[in-house]
Amino acid sequence: EAAVTQSPRSKVAVTGGKVTLSCHQTNNHDYMYWYRQDTGHGLRLIHYSYVADSTEKGDIPDGYKASRPSQENFSLILELASLSQTAVYFCASRDSYEQYFGPGTRLTVL
Amino acid sequence: GDSVTQTKGPVTLSEGTSLTVNCSYETKQYPTLFWYVQYPGEGPQLLFKVPKANEKGSNRGFEATYDKGTTSFHLQKASVQESDSAVYYCVLALNYAQGLTFGLGTRVSVFP
Repeated sequence: EAAVTQSPRSKVAVTGGKVTLSCHQTNNHDYMYWYRQDTGHGLRLIHYSYVADSTEKGDIPDGYKASRPSQENFSLILELASLSQTAVYFCASRDSYEQYFGPGTRLTVL
Repeated sequence: GDSVTQTKGPVTLSEGTSLTVNCSYETKQYPTLFWYVQYPGEGPQLLFKVPKANEKGSNRGFEATYDKGTTSFHLQKASVQESDSAVYYCVLALNYAQGLTFGLGTRVSVFP
């Protein structure tokens, strides 16, 4: 059973539109993270959360919001999608030191 | 600022040959060190945590040793298999709460 799942797995969005990426974990972990992966940049941290109803900014938060309505769910929101946000997005949860990643969402903004 | 530098790929190898991926970092903090691996179509997964104090971390035939003098920790495998084809990331955890700091990744392709 996959412990971190993401939806959708792939999405095409229009510039200026709103996009919501969802993440669900069954690990019972407090910490959850959103990263983006771009060719030439590896993975970079966007937002993270260590408790429901609270989120923190990561290294590249501009243009993104996050929401953590429960321990299991963590969403990434692009209010006004832009071409530069085309990337693969990964969600992760963490135990004492290991992070467990979901399969990723490929977002294309046209 | 904090940075992680690793072998620039792609690296192409034949089965049975050895692999080395070099990684070094710069930070004023005291990071925890990891190697993560990413297979096609999947998210990264932990390969192993690298011990700091003169010990060798290992998993699935891969090994890494931390060099305090050069703040580096290189990934090695003596004899690779086709199933080792993946992208390998050296990764730092700079503090308990925040996320991981990834290197750019090294794509390794192993051919029979």
